[in-house]
Amino acid sequence: AQSVTQLGSHVSVSEGALVLLRCNYSSSVPPYLFWYVQYPNQGLQLLLKYTTGATLVKGINGFEAEFKKSETSFHLTKPSAHMSDAAEYFCAVSQPTGRRALTFGSGTRLQVQP
Amino acid sequence: NAGVTQTPKFQVLKTGQSMTLQCAQDMNHEYMSWYRQDPGMGLRLIHYSVGAGITDQGEVPNGYNVSRSTTEDFPLRLLSAAPSQTSVYFCASSYGVFSDTQYFGPGTRLTVL
Repeated sequence: AQSVTQLGSHVSVSEGALVLLRCNYSSSVPPYLFWYVQYPNQGLQLLLKYTTGATLVKGINGFEAEFKKSETSFHLTKPSAHMSDAAEYFCAVSQPTGRRALTFGSGTRLQVQP
Repeated sequence: NAGVTQTPKFQVLKTGQSMTLQCAQDMNHEYMSWYRQDPGMGLRLIHYSVGAGITDQGEVPNGYNVSRSTTEDFPLRLLSAAPSQTSVYFCASSYGVFSDTQYFGPGTRLTVL
């Protein structure tokens, strides 16, 4: 079984400040990990993903995440928040074998203050 | 490419009514799936398909049916709507297995009274 925990349902930062959204996972095998973003009244779109290889993954819009196996974490960061980053962010996990279906976390809503 | 399209965008049903949510993709993706999104619960997988004629259950399949007669279309049927099915429904597709990037439709907001 696999699961995802996102710490903090709401995060508020000032424009220009560091963005840190936390994601911890549980998986019986090394997983595939994803971050998706959902802007208001839209579907989800992929920010970045980790499958194999380099553990620091860069995505779109200046976001990056680091896979830390020892901490079972895949936190999302961005050095400097922009107003346009306000959205809901979802961490997700799938497994490289078996049914491989995606399991999503409950989401973190990011608010960016001017 | 239109990507993943869903119709309708909004729907209100009465308890016991049936309806079909439509999903289509023009990217020739083999994998398609349906999720429901509820506040504080993220997205939960309802049903998915790995190709035409092949479907399987996800995490929350009860009360929903699917079929996949073509690569492009993957409709979701509510047989007898219940208030617990009030949710936002998303269809998604991907070229390969779930490790691939999933492309999401804009969603259908369903209210069951």
